[in-house]
Amino acid sequence: GAGVSQSPRYKVTKRGQDVALRCDPISGHVSLYWYRQALGQGPEFLTYFNYEAQQDKSGLPNDRFSAERPEGSISTLTIQRTEQRDSAMYRCASSAATGTGELFFGEGSRLTVL
Amino acid sequence: GENVEQHPSTLSVQEGDSAVIKCTYSDSASNYFPWYKQELGKGPQLIIDIRSNVGEKKDQRIAVTLNKTAKHFSLHITETQPEDSAVYFCAASPPRKNDMRFGAGTRLTVKP
Repeated sequence: GAGVSQSPRYKVTKRGQDVALRCDPISGHVSLYWYRQALGQGPEFLTYFNYEAQQDKSGLPNDRFSAERPEGSISTLTIQRTEQRDSAMYRCASSAATGTGELFFGEGSRLTVL
Repeated sequence: GENVEQHPSTLSVQEGDSAVIKCTYSDSASNYFPWYKQELGKGPQLIIDIRSNVGEKKDQRIAVTLNKTAKHFSLHITETQPEDSAVYFCAASPPRKNDMRFGAGTRLTVKP
């Protein structure tokens, strides 16, 4: 389809394992965002990119979290040495322009850390 | 950074009634205020937005108002229908930065 695609949709992992979550934005979209959404809460900003440049990573909880977008399209959010508190829905969104504008969200990757 | 608060957390109305959801923001520099609707199992979708150069915007049964002095904005849904039932999120974004911040959400239930 033409929407934002995320994979995997569901990921169950054991504490201490590394996980990589992938986001494929809408073709041609300049900006890409990562959010984390706990149950019953709004999306919590993690980081965003314009093209391949990471513009703001102030929302990443700690240094176990990192993100990249090496070719300005697909992005990967990596969580190292996962902990139970990392369990959440991780959502990716993209927008056409670098200024404020509509975000198109993917269906998310639900991470469960046992 | 920006902090957005949203009320109420849950709202139940009868079909045909109006629903109002209110948000406040902290960063006076914020100039873009979108509202997103999230249905079960899906990602949030934009339903309406407003920029700080206008005070009100309407789109059929949906309207948003903005009071920059008081730093609050509201979503108004008139003639509610069961398909309006969802979780609604407000958000605020300052210029030059794309780190849009969201409220905690309002679960709206429209009873037939």
